Amino acid sequence: LAKTTQPISMDSYEGQEVNITCSHNNIATNDYITWYQQFPSQGPRFIIQGYKTKVTNEVASLFIPADRKSSTLSLPRVSLSDTAVYYCLVGGFSGNTPLVFGKGTRLSVIA
Amino acid sequence: GAVVSQHPSWVICKSGTSVKIECRSLDFQATTMFWYRQFPKQSLMLMATSNEGSKATYEQGVEKDKFLINHASLTLSTLTVTSAHPEDSSFYICSATRQGSNTGELFFGEGSRLTVL
Repeated sequence: LAKTTQPISMDSYEGQEVNITCSHNNIATNDYITWYQQFPSQGPRFIIQGYKTKVTNEVASLFIPADRKSSTLSLPRVSLSDTAVYYCLVGGFSGNTPLVFGKGTRLSVIA
Repeated sequence: GAVVSQHPSWVICKSGTSVKIECRSLDFQATTMFWYRQFPKQSLMLMATSNEGSKATYEQGVEKDKFLINHASLTLSTLTVTSAHPEDSSFYICSATRQGSNTGELFFGEGSRLTVL
């Protein structure tokens, strides 16, 4: 399974755009890249998923370069409620479901 | 969307007793369910993978006789912590993949906090 590496923590002020990059050098051809958000004492929540190039939904964008060895989660105009831990996972088809969580990135949004 | 529900959300028990945690997929059939545990300020650690109708696959270092997992249907998996001890106190989270999915997206339960006195 592809291992992921993310920054341990990040700080941001409210209203700024936050970009969190994840490295996954050993990503397999069939692997998808999925990002989750976790608040204290809650299960992780799906944010966004992509395979290549760029994906955007109502809460975030995901940028994936052509070699797919990294990905960047972009959160536009963060608010205090975006303070959480963010995890990226890679995996997918043929039973290679993302199973292993890395350490995640603890984002702190400051007023 | 796909909803996974865990019950109970929190439980306190005496040392030596057994505790059962249920994980249900409410609006989809879950091919595979996963159980994680999470200690404070740490990431989720995979304990076991369960497929409906077959024995669970445990990760290295996880005692299968202590953490009994049953996946009797496509919508229900249970984790039983047998003879619980204070060191078993943790946040237990289940997740599921939707039958037929090829993207590996995981749907998580709300988590169950176990405190063993």
